[in-house]
Parts: sequence; structure tokens; C-alpha cells
Amino acid sequence: SAVISQKPSRDICQRGTSLTIQCQVDSQVTMMFWYRQQPGQSLTLIATANQGSEATYESGFVIDKFPISRPNLTFSTLTVSNMSPEDSSIYLCSVEGRAGELFFGEGSRLTVL
Amino acid sequence: AQTVTQSQPEMSVQEAETVTLSCTYDTSENNYYLFWYKQPPSRQMILVIRQEAYKQQNATENRFSVNFQKAAKSFSLKISDSQLGDTAMYFCAFMTIQGAQKLVFGQGTRLTINP
Repeated sequence: SAVISQKPSRDICQRGTSLTIQCQVDSQVTMMFWYRQQPGQSLTLIATANQGSEATYESGFVIDKFPISRPNLTFSTLTVSNMSPEDSSIYLCSVEGRAGELFFGEGSRLTVL
Repeated sequence: AQTVTQSQPEMSVQEAETVTLSCTYDTSENNYYLFWYKQPPSRQMILVIRQEAYKQQNATENRFSVNFQKAAKSFSLKISDSQLGDTAMYFCAFMTIQGAQKLVFGQGTRLTINP
């Protein structure tokens, strides 16, 4: 299984600001995935990040709000822009394993005041 | 579009008991993966068990086993000899084999193991 590290682990932010979450994997992977878990809810896929191309966003998520970078095969960032309290969530990075499963980072808990 | 339904928002059992968590799904695909993930209070999503739809044999991982009923589109998780460390949110998830590797999650079941 892959070891996935996310930073920050948690943060408290002010409305209108932006925060960038980093995801580092201990092996090279083709695709990385960003999920959001709103309080008391299940996980929802935000976007898929491929190295060398633009991220593919799911319905309801746009690049202006959630810009993603994927500069190499072991690293990705997700930025939550112009934050509002509704963006308070856990954001999780994940990568695919050899047998089709996804492995997840420990998540970044974001609270927007 | 695929959907995953977990009809039990919360469950609670005594330590050492056996508990079964329910999951149903809807898809028109014939080949796919099904997963159970565990999310303890630490919030890390941990893979518990995986089932390939083309395999008739139910997957087993130590105390965890599934009852996969493809025709009924049912995928329940059985935890035997439950332990306090099993306390967590459990999510059932679906992934199609073809196309993007996107997991569709159920709403989750909060399982509490009581001493």
C-alpha cells in the first residue's frame, strides 16, 4: 500500500481567504484523487489529477474554486479559494493501488469562520 | 449513474459479538469492484476488504467477511468477534472497472463496540 502524507492536518481559516493542501505519496502514481467529506457526510470526489495535464473535475466542482496542481508523479496540491463556512470539511487525497483499491491520506480538516 | 445505499445510520454491539453491516448498490455494469472502508475518529480512511464482482467467492480478511449477492446487488460486511478498536464509521463503496477509477460511497454506518 502507498504511504500518503497530507499537510496541513487541520487549519482554521477566515472567510474570503484561500488555503492550499499538499499531498505527498511515497511512490510514483499516475492519478491522484481529491475528495471532500462535509461534516457528518460521506466522501465526494472533487477531481482527478493527472501529471502533465489539467485536472478533471466532477459535477458541482470548478477549477476557479478548487485549483489543483500536479507537478510530478508523487505530489499534488488542492487549493480551496475564497473560502466560506460551507467549505468547512475534511479534504482527502487518494491514490490507486495495484488491485483497483484506493488508498487515502489522513485528511486535512478545514474550518472556515 | 451508480448509487450506494447503507440503510443503517448507526449500530451498536457488545465486544466479542458478531455484527453485520448492510449495503446495496445500483449499477448497470457487469464488472466492478466493491469495497468496505473504515474511518475511525482519527479520520483516516482504511481499506477493510475488497470484492471483485466477477468472483463468486466471498472475500475474507481475518475477522472481516462479506456476503456478496450480485443478483440482489447486495454487499454486506460481517465483523466477527468484534473488538473495541472496530469502533468507527464504515463506508461501502463501488468502483467501475472501466473508465475513471472513481469511488462512489454510501452514506456510512457508525458502529460502536461497547465493552
